[in-house]
Amino acid sequence: DTAVSQTPKYLVTQMGNDKSIKCEQNLGHDTMYWYKQDSKKFLKIMFSYNNKELIINETVPNRFSPKSPDKAHLNLHINSLELGDSAVYFCASSQSESGYTFGSGTRLTVV
Amino acid sequence: TQLLEQSPQFLSIQEGENLTVYCNSSSVFSSLQWYRQEPGEGPVLLVTVVTGGEVKKLKRLTFQFGDARKDSSLHITAAQPGDTGLYLCAGISGGSNYKLTFGKGTLLTVNP
Repeated sequence: DTAVSQTPKYLVTQMGNDKSIKCEQNLGHDTMYWYKQDSKKFLKIMFSYNNKELIINETVPNRFSPKSPDKAHLNLHINSLELGDSAVYFCASSQSESGYTFGSGTRLTVV
Repeated sequence: TQLLEQSPQFLSIQEGENLTVYCNSSSVFSSLQWYRQEPGEGPVLLVTVVTGGEVKKLKRLTFQFGDARKDSSLHITAAQPGDTGLYLCAGISGGSNYKLTFGKGTLLTVNP
C-alpha cells in the first residue's frame, strides 16, 4: 500500500501545453504539499494545503494552480508549459512536523 | 529568507570509513530533519531532532542538533555501499504549516 502516490511517474510534453499531476495520500494526514526539485537536486516548496485550504504559496507563477478536492488529494495543474518547468515534482503529506512522507516524484520534461 | 548550507556537496569514500555531513544556518529552526533520497525516489525521513543539543542514533548514523538550533550534523560510522545516496537536511520554522526549508544536499558514494 503506497502511502503517498502520484501520477504520472514520467511526463514528456511540448512547450505551451497544459498538464496535470495527481497526488493521493492514504495516511489520514491533514496537510499536503508540492515541492519542486531542480536539476541540481535542490528541493523547494511550492504549495501547501491544510484540510483543503491553501496555506502556503511560495512565489510560484500563476501558470501553476493546485487543487485539493478533499484532504486526501492534492493535484497540480500547469498551464502553458515552459522549458524551465522541467524538473521533478514531489507531493508530500504530514500530520505534524515529525511525520513527513514524500511520493516518488513526477519527472516532467518540457521539449 | 531562511537558508541551510549543507557541506560537503559531494563525498566519495571507501567502505568502512567514517564521515560527517554538516548543515548550518543563521536562522533558528523549531526542528530539523534529515532525509535520504535514492535515484528515482522521493526523500525518506531518517530522523527529526527538536531539542537544542539533542543527539539521536539510528544504527550507524548519529544525528546532532546544535545547542542554538541553527545547525546539525550527521555522522556515519563504518560506511557501507548501501549508505550511498543523497542526504538532505531540512529545517522547520515555528508555526503550524510545517514548511520544510532544504539544504542543497550531500551526494554520498561509498565504494566497496
